[in-house]
Amino acid sequence: GESVGLHLPTLSVQEGDNSIINCAYSNSASDYFIWYKQESGKGPQFIIDIRSNMDKRQGQRVTVLLNKTVKHLSLQIAATQPGDSAVYFCAETGANSKLTFGKGITLSVRP
Amino acid sequence: GAVVSQHPSRVICKSGTSVKIECRSLDFQATTMFWYRQFPKKSLMLMATSNEGSKATYEQGVEKDKFLINHASLTLSTLTVTSAHPEDSSFYICSARTGGNRNSPLHFGNGTRLTVT
Repeated sequence: GESVGLHLPTLSVQEGDNSIINCAYSNSASDYFIWYKQESGKGPQFIIDIRSNMDKRQGQRVTVLLNKTVKHLSLQIAATQPGDSAVYFCAETGANSKLTFGKGITLSVRP
Repeated sequence: GAVVSQHPSRVICKSGTSVKIECRSLDFQATTMFWYRQFPKKSLMLMATSNEGSKATYEQGVEKDKFLINHASLTLSTLTVTSAHPEDSSFYICSARTGGNRNSPLHFGNGTRLTVT
């Protein structure tokens, strides 16, 4: 488990640059994946999802890539803006329908 | 769009008292809702699955007698923290799916910050 006081890893990017947030998942039976954004004091907000029969999906300014071979998921944010600063979680669902969250990464956008 | 509403957003209670948190789906019916708990700087941990008209399913290590869940209608699930203690202080978040199958996103409420003094 995590040590007490361990902070979430942080990714710092310059405003306007592209951001890439990575996530490794462990359950090879998971077949549905979601990226969420969580701002301080709020619940997670849906960003984009992808099913296991796809390896890429694009939304507005965001792209999710899925590599099932190495069990890796990434979120790419184009032209990162200050409003993108938040904690980002990947989440996965398998046959049991339960959504399991990854550890989260803090995205900090420098003006 | 889909909206999940939680109430209250913040609550402070004394040790030994009980607190009820409500979770409502505002524009859709939810036969299943999920309750999560989040500690500061940590990820969300699933506590239980709330099923309309039947008993909730609790995750391993979650005390069902301490965290009472009632899902009396298709739009309302409640979580009651009974005999709260300071270690129950946390951020509690509910969620629900608008779609009928598991390959549809969970939509989350804005959470309830519980502080037990």
